[in-house]
Amino acid sequence: GNSVTQMEGPVTLSEEAFLTINCTYTATGYPSLFWYVQYPGEGLQLLLKATKADDKGSNKGFEATYRKETTSFHLEKGSVQVSDSAVYFCALSEHTNAGKSTFGDGTTLTVKP
Amino acid sequence: DTAVSQTPKYLVTQMGNDKSIKCEQNLGHDTMYWYKQDSKKFLKIMFSYNNKELIINETVPNRFSPKSPDKAHLNLHINSLELGDSAVYFCASSQSPPGLGTDTQYFGPGTRLTVL
Repeated sequence: GNSVTQMEGPVTLSEEAFLTINCTYTATGYPSLFWYVQYPGEGLQLLLKATKADDKGSNKGFEATYRKETTSFHLEKGSVQVSDSAVYFCALSEHTNAGKSTFGDGTTLTVKP
Repeated sequence: DTAVSQTPKYLVTQMGNDKSIKCEQNLGHDTMYWYKQDSKKFLKIMFSYNNKELIINETVPNRFSPKSPDKAHLNLHINSLELGDSAVYFCASSQSPPGLGTDTQYFGPGTRLTVL
């Protein structure tokens, strides 16, 4: 079956630090890849996505590149802010099986001033 | 306008009771989902409906029964609530018909269920 493995948290950084959250996946086909963010007390919302190999998704200073050769979709941001404190979920969605998504376990990020 | 809404936001109840959580989406999407998020933030899919038809039914106790009266609504009914049912339940929707897989899921704000 499909699976998504995320870097374990929690991650604590100082403001303006560089962020990397690792994500690797296993899938039988060629899935679409997503990063969702969950701010405290809210539901998940899409941060960025990539639908095919070598695509780069980007939003709000975050970016991730779909690497088929390493089956990875690492999330990066050059300079984090306190407002980036949230839980980040990597996910994949197959192009079969009713578009069923598989989520990673989430990585909690805390950014301190 | 709220895209995916859930009611209630908080639900506190006694063990053994029966309760329902309602979900509505105004995005015109064909597919809706229920997820359970535990205290460690792990997210697990429970059910998915496409145009009122059940398409995903994960290993969930049969005390949980989804109902989709129309494609804009997906309600979750839980019988004989247990302590382990305490969690945050998220409804979500996506445009994707079966097999497309590229579509974003839009999540509701969640319902925090506490079973005492």
